[in-house]
Amino acid sequence: QKEVEQDPGPLSVPEGAIVSLNCTYSNSAFQYFMWYRQYSRKGPELLMYTYSSGNKEDGRFTAQVDKSSKYISLFIRDSQPSDSATYLCAMSYTGNQFYFGTGTSLTVIP
Amino acid sequence: GAVVSQHPSWVICKSGTSVKIECRSLDFQATTMFWYRQFPKQSLMLMATSNEGSKATYEQGVEKDKFLINHASLTLSTLTVTSAHPEDSSFYICSARDRNQPQHFGDGTRLSIL
Repeated sequence: QKEVEQDPGPLSVPEGAIVSLNCTYSNSAFQYFMWYRQYSRKGPELLMYTYSSGNKEDGRFTAQVDKSSKYISLFIRDSQPSDSATYLCAMSYTGNQFYFGTGTSLTVIP
Repeated sequence: GAVVSQHPSWVICKSGTSVKIECRSLDFQATTMFWYRQFPKQSLMLMATSNEGSKATYEQGVEKDKFLINHASLTLSTLTVTSAHPEDSSFYICSARDRNQPQHFGDGTRLSIL
């Protein structure tokens, strides 16, 4: 079983839709949770960083961590064509070794 | 803040040459730097982890004599692909972090070996 599971998609939504991206994990010791956005031929860009459980909001983005279910989510409100990218979840328990999901490809259609 | 600069962004060279890629943290001290390889439409594959002043720790299956990593300062790490061959063509991405902080990535280097 992989440490981190992420549906690769692809996911296509109309502009303005709410997007939900998810990852599940197996290691209950994970404490640090991150979401990255990667545009084609670019390095990943950190979007959200959460320690332990709970929600975090930043503009149109909301990250949720449910440690009891070993499940994390990223919600994008009022999605825009510029949100079209691959979204990677990542997590860590030591803060030094990171485990990445395979990424979900998102296309927002104008 | 937390900017990582990677250079060059694209390099094309002949088979047998060595290529050096630089990764710099511009506005923070990178106690740890990571080097990844990414194939088209695939996720990141960790190659090695390096802490400043220490030898890099390579992942299983990564040849340390092929991929030389140097992390001589808190703001600079280099990856040298020695005697590169066409199968080494890939997208190489570095990341850097300070203690207890998430990783921040460079924009990657597209390496094409002819």
